Amino acid sequence: EVQLVESGGGLVLPGGSLRLSCAASGFTFSSYWMNWVRQAPGKGLEWVANIKEDGSEQYYVGSLRGRFTVSRDNAKNSLYLQMNSLRAEDTAVYYCARTNYFDSSGYAFDIWGQGTMVTVSS
Amino acid sequence: EIVLTQSPGTLSLSPGERATLSCRASQSVSSSQLAWYQQKRGQAPRLLIYGASSRATGIPDRFSGSGSGTDFTLTISRLEPEDFAVYYCQQYDNSPITFGQGTRLEIK
Repeated sequence: EVQLVESGGGLVLPGGSLRLSCAASGFTFSSYWMNWVRQAPGKGLEWVANIKEDGSEQYYVGSLRGRFTVSRDNAKNSLYLQMNSLRAEDTAVYYCARTNYFDSSGYAFDIWGQGTMVTVSS
Repeated sequence: EIVLTQSPGTLSLSPGERATLSCRASQSVSSSQLAWYQQKRGQAPRLLIYGASSRATGIPDRFSGSGSGTDFTLTISRLEPEDFAVYYCQQYDNSPITFGQGTRLEIK
């Protein structure tokens, strides 16, 4: 079964750090771009970052560049998000998602994890 | 950054009716880079449509997508009870990847 499972969420103090993990199974992890998407309570979806198949390229939403770092370990079929200098506005469910390339029909996020909740509060 | 504006914000319809959801982009988006997702309460989003008009695996044919340039539409031909959820459009044409703010489809 194709699956993504996030972990590592929890309660963290403002200014603190947290590292999220996403374990992939059921597909060749090293063949896909991977993404982090977050959703604040009661709000919409916000793309956070993505990383190329071999980890050589990473892209971020502008407001988070410098505080968040996406990485991967293809030997462990795992995706990571290191989050530093956390703020209350970073409180959200964080999802990992796979980018699939549908030939000439472009790209989309076809597999999503169940999400992990991050709460930044004192 | 490409801003996607979805309308209406909330759509109230009855089972069996037709739903038409709109997604307007602040600049032209390649049709191959426009997708639609469904999200039910407490669940992760699910891919419905990619390439503006191609249904994802396992998606019923009552869901269809259309449009080009800056105007895209998701149509649900006959609403089933399980279709009441929040729907998001997404563009992958320009970085950063962006989502619309969502349309909530609720039972009338």
